[in-house]
Amino acid sequence: GAVVSQHPSRVICKSGTSVKIECRSLDFQATTMFWYRQFPKQSLMLMATSNEGSKATYEQGVEKDKFLINHASLTLSTLTVTSAHPEDSSFYICSARGTVNEKLFFGSGTQLSVL
Amino acid sequence: QKEVEQNSGPLSVPEGAIASLNCTYSDRGSQSFFWYRQYSGKSPELIMSIYSNGDKEDGRFTAQLNKASQYVSLLIRDSQPSDSATYLCAVNPSNDYKLSFGAGTTVTVRA
Repeated sequence: GAVVSQHPSRVICKSGTSVKIECRSLDFQATTMFWYRQFPKQSLMLMATSNEGSKATYEQGVEKDKFLINHASLTLSTLTVTSAHPEDSSFYICSARGTVNEKLFFGSGTQLSVL
Repeated sequence: QKEVEQNSGPLSVPEGAIASLNCTYSDRGSQSFFWYRQYSGKSPELIMSIYSNGDKEDGRFTAQLNKASQYVSLLIRDSQPSDSATYLCAVNPSNDYKLSFGAGTTVTVRA
């Protein structure tokens, strides 16, 4: 089956630093990738949608200058949390939509902890 | 009003019993519906997708959809301890795969 690789799986950083999370589709081309955030015991909340070669579309309330998304190719999207603060600590998950069967495939998630 | 609502649980069932999970959604135009299983600290994995009214069975899982009532459910037959997880209902309101997730129902299967 299709695989979406996401790394790092866990990152701990100091407040004020920036963190980059990568999401790669390993055996298919992803026309669209989605970035979700999940706080403990809460559901996944969509942050933004990225399409290859174009600007990401952010959901209401998500700061585009804080959460930078780059979808440079059909197999790679990155999310950079800039100037991270403790309230950004969360589980970040990407998902990719394939070009062939258009199913959604989820990455393994990144647990971000900001001290 | 939340777009997708689920009972948070926890739902505790004995091993071998049927676990029944319910989900309602607000956007009447939604066309595709999904159930995901999520273990603690892991990303969701797709269990079932359903697009038409009625039942859809896959192994021990049965999804039921009633668009008129805006209701989708998941039955887990012969529940096993390994089924203990949080089950997320997801709806595709705009057919663009920007899924709206419910808060999830935590299921515990007692051995």
